[in-house]
Amino acid sequence: QITLKESGPTLVKPTQTLTLTCTLSGFSLSASGVAVGWIRQPPGKALEWLAVIYWNDDKRYSPSLKSRLTITKDTSKNQVVLTMTNVDPVDTATYYCAHMSYTLQYFFDYWGQGTLVTVSS
Amino acid sequence: LMTQSPATLSVSPGERATLSCRASQTVSNNLAWYQQKPGQAPRLLIYGASTRATGIPDRFSGSGSGTEFTLIISSLQSEDFALYCCQQYHHWPPTWTFGQGTKVEI
Repeated sequence: QITLKESGPTLVKPTQTLTLTCTLSGFSLSASGVAVGWIRQPPGKALEWLAVIYWNDDKRYSPSLKSRLTITKDTSKNQVVLTMTNVDPVDTATYYCAHMSYTLQYFFDYWGQGTLVTVSS
Repeated sequence: LMTQSPATLSVSPGERATLSCRASQTVSNNLAWYQQKPGQAPRLLIYGASTRATGIPDRFSGSGSGTEFTLIISSLQSEDFALYCCQQYHHWPPTWTFGQGTKVEI
C-alpha cells in the first residue's frame, strides 16, 4: 500500500536552512502521472501548500515562498527532499508530504504522518 | 482564497451537518474536502467536488461547482467530529489553496 514518511530536524535556528525528506513506499515517482507535494500546518492554523514535484521532474512552488524553497527527487532512493532557506519562527509547523496522481486530479490522497519542526534560537 | 463557513458547527450525533466553502474565483470542479482529527494528518474525503475517495462512507457527499461548494454529512457518527477543510486546485499556473476549516463539534 502507499505510505509516505517525513523525516528531518525537530529544531532549527532562525536563518538556517531546513531540509526535510519524504520517503515513499508502495509507489514510484518515476511512474507517469504521479506527483508528491509538501504541505505545512502551523500549530492551530490552516494547511498551507508549499511545493509539488511531478514524475517528469516538473516542479511548482507556492508563490509566497518560491524564493526560499527547493524540491528535488531521488527515484533510486524513493525520496523527495524539500529545502527551505532562511527559516523564521513563523515557519514553525507540522510538515507533511503527500501522494498525488493524475487519476485523482492531483489532489492529496495519501499523507505522511507529518513532522513537527520548531524554529527557535 | 477559500472561505469556509461556519468556523464551528455544533451538531448532535445522528443529525445532518452542512459545511460551505466559497472560492474567490471560479475553480470549476477542482475542489476537495479533507477531514482532520487532532494529532493526525488530513484524510481525503471528496475530490472533484463530488467524488468520494476510496473507503469513504456514503454519508459524506459533496456538491457544487464554480465558486460555491458544500459538504454534507447526512447522519453524524461519533467518529465524524473533526476539522473539515476544503482545498482548490488551480490548473494554471498549478497552485493548491486550503480553506481555514470548519470544526464540527458535539
